[in-house]
Parts: sequence; structure tokens; C-alpha cells
Amino acid sequence: EADIYQTPRYLVIGTGKKITLECSQTMGHDKMYWYQQDPGMELHLIHYSYGVNSTEKGDLSSESTVSRIRTEHFPLTLESARPSHTSQYLCASSDPVGNTIYFGEGSWLTVV
Amino acid sequence: GEDVEQSLFLSVREGDSSVINCTYTDSSSTYLYWYKQEPGAGLQLLTYIFSNMDMKQDQRLTVLLNKKDKHLSLRIADTQTGDSAIYFCAESDSGSARQLTFGSGTQLTVLP
Repeated sequence: EADIYQTPRYLVIGTGKKITLECSQTMGHDKMYWYQQDPGMELHLIHYSYGVNSTEKGDLSSESTVSRIRTEHFPLTLESARPSHTSQYLCASSDPVGNTIYFGEGSWLTVV
Repeated sequence: GEDVEQSLFLSVREGDSSVINCTYTDSSSTYLYWYKQEPGAGLQLLTYIFSNMDMKQDQRLTVLLNKKDKHLSLRIADTQTGDSAIYFCAESDSGSARQLTFGSGTQLTVLP
């Protein structure tokens, strides 16, 4: 059972609002990831982190930003949300060897 | 870049076996994964296989890997209605970030 949690699970916000999606894991994993998934579509990596103070952009360009101040937390922030940001955002972490990657339940974001 | 392809839909009768196929292009893939996603939920890791293995069995699940053809399959024996979900194939490169490249997912529908 993976111990990785995302909040909020579902959120509807207005255009121009700032939003932070939280992701926490209690497994002590150094590597964490954010994926974006539109309904019925494949996942795309938007951010990843090797550890504290390490953040990198993924394959898919995203206007979101991330931070990694603590091992357990990897929050994702949108400074000014737009309808094009409507999507599901999935957080993940991997064990030290990286053999298995565990996902959170996802955060469904709708920008109106 | 890497590419992972899957057929989009599969329907089977309850009690039959399901076989979900996946092809990938990256010959340096080290790990290959199968994830299950139920509606409105995150991704659940079902199983994974190392590139130096040909087969892995875990209860009702059998994974077959043909490295020569870069073909991966997931067989679900005695398919149940609870197996209805989207199944994602993913591959991981040999880099330290253990980034995953996902296929577009196969929607499995189990008919009574």
C-alpha cells in the first residue's frame, strides 16, 4: 500500500486564481514526480525532483511551478489559473532504487 | 524520443482471459510497468518486469516480454467485472530519474 497523498482531490476555481496542489509521501522517497493527464489521455511528466532543493521540468511544458523544501512534500503551484489548465494532476514517488513508482489518487482541477 | 503504443479498447466476457498488448521503441528500457486506473482514481501499480526477464506471474496476472520485438503483454486470467478499468503500459529509461513514458491506455470492459 502506497503512502502518498494529494489534496485537494477535486477543485473548481475561477480564472486568474492562484492554486497550490499538495502532495505528501511518508515513505522517505527522494524522487518525486508530477504528471498531467487529460481525461482519457496518456500521462505526461511535467516536473520531477531528485531530492530536497532539486526540481526539474519534465517532457511536457507547463506553466506550473514546484518546490521541494522537505523530502515529504512536493507542492505544485499555478500562479494564475486558466481554463487550459483544467486537467488531472497526479503526484508520484519512487523508491531509492527506482524500481517501483507509486501514485497518489490525483487532483482534478477545473478552471472556469 | 521514446514511444509506447497500446490499443485503445478491449472487451471480454466475464470468466474469459484478457490480453492487453503494448509495444515500445526505446531499446534501453530497463523496467516495464503495468498500471490500472479506475474512474476518478489515480494509478495503481499492478506489476513490473525487468528487461532481463521474459515472464512474470503474480496470481491472475501474467506479464510476457519479447525484447526482440519490443512487445509487452498483460494477461488477466478469469477476468472479473472489477477488472474493468484503463490499463497503462509504461517504460522507464535507464537514467537516474526513472522517468516513465506511458502509453495511451487500454480501456478494458468486462461484459457479464
